[in-house]
Amino acid sequence: SQQGEEDPQALSIQEGENATMNCSYKTSINNLQWYRQNSGRGLVHLILIRSNEREKHSGRLRVTLDTSKKSSSLLITASRAADTASYFCATVFAGNNRKLIWGLGTSLAVNP
Amino acid sequence: DADVTQTPRNRITKTGKRIMLECSQTKGHDRMYWYRQDPGLGLRLIYYSFDVKDINKGEISDGYSVSRQAQAKFSLSLESAIPNQTALYFCATSDYTGGDGYTFGSGTRLTVV
Repeated sequence: SQQGEEDPQALSIQEGENATMNCSYKTSINNLQWYRQNSGRGLVHLILIRSNEREKHSGRLRVTLDTSKKSSSLLITASRAADTASYFCATVFAGNNRKLIWGLGTSLAVNP
Repeated sequence: DADVTQTPRNRITKTGKRIMLECSQTKGHDRMYWYRQDPGLGLRLIYYSFDVKDINKGEISDGYSVSRQAQAKFSLSLESAIPNQTALYFCATSDYTGGDGYTFGSGTRLTVV
């Protein structure tokens, strides 16, 4: 099945640094979403960006979308130890009944 | 109370046993989903339901069945559990637009021995 691909697979940074994760996808989308998962438990929706949007902010999160390159990035500024988690992008492709297609995730470790 | 509640949280069962995982939601959403998560394979869709009378197979429905008992309840059954069904299972809900993203339960960690 089609999937988004996150890059890098794993990222380790120090507290206070910024973390950037990227997601690429294959076909035209309706929207792209980012989720966080702590320690193998439930995923939490962070932010959604629509295909006609280029940038979106939510607190310390900044998401960009480049539909010409079929890619998105998630920036977490001034990271904290509590940001340690796996981050997943998920896309809703145009015309697939709005089901989410998931990437494999980026594992972020923020070291105190 | 959580918006999406899954029971049990953890379960160990034997090969060949029938097991049911339950999910209930208070979001009032029509759409509900069952996923399994395995290391390195990400989230894979097992079944989804767009309303009480609409059930659809996902990517990996073999060996599983579901029941949508009400708008708020969506259960997943393993008719005869096998070890490669050992995984983390998630239930999720969304509204029709998906504009607020999916709301996930906390998951059921299932081990088949």
